[in-house]
Amino acid sequence: GDSVTQMEGPVTLSEEAFLTINCTYTATGYPSLFWYVQYPGEGLQLLLKATKADDKGSNKGFEATYRKETTSFHLEKGSVQVSDSAVYFCALSFVNDKLIFGTGTRLQVFP
Amino acid sequence: DAGVTQSPTHLIKTRGQQVTLRCSPKSGHDTVSWYQQALGQGPQFIFQYYEEEERQRGNFPDRFSGHQFPNYSSELNVNALLLGDSALYLCASSPTTSGQETQYFGPGTRLLVL
Repeated sequence: GDSVTQMEGPVTLSEEAFLTINCTYTATGYPSLFWYVQYPGEGLQLLLKATKADDKGSNKGFEATYRKETTSFHLEKGSVQVSDSAVYFCALSFVNDKLIFGTGTRLQVFP
Repeated sequence: DAGVTQSPTHLIKTRGQQVTLRCSPKSGHDTVSWYQQALGQGPQFIFQYYEEEERQRGNFPDRFSGHQFPNYSSELNVNALLLGDSALYLCASSPTTSGQETQYFGPGTRLLVL
């Protein structure tokens, strides 16, 4: 069945470091891809999305490109801040269908 | 514009009891999905409601049931609670009729079963 695989965390970085969180997917067809972020004690917030191959989603300095050939949607940020510390979830979905999530990657940023 | 709201925020129950969780979707959204997030895990899909009908269901037992009202709000009911039902329950809404698939989440209800 359809699935999402994320790199295990935690990812520990110093402030202003470059961030990459890897995400690959398995799906029959071409789903939309999402990154959601969860801050401690809160629900999920949509960070960015891409709906077709080669689309780049971006928001708040984060970027991810939908790569059909490698079935990947890696999350990147050029310079992380302490306030970016959270758990990041990669997910896929088809139109009007459920979201399928990865297990999440915890990011810890230290000053 | 209010986002997705859920109530209550926290709940403590004992094994065997029943619980009802509530969700109000984002304005303009007609579809509600429910997810269970166990500690340290990604959310797992429970079911989705559209036009007051259960449109899709994940791999959850019949103890989990739901309802959608004409104003698009929704309830999740869990009967005969087990310790393993302790989790964060997330509601998400989306606008099916506009063809947009993006789901927006509420803050969740944290359920503890003792």
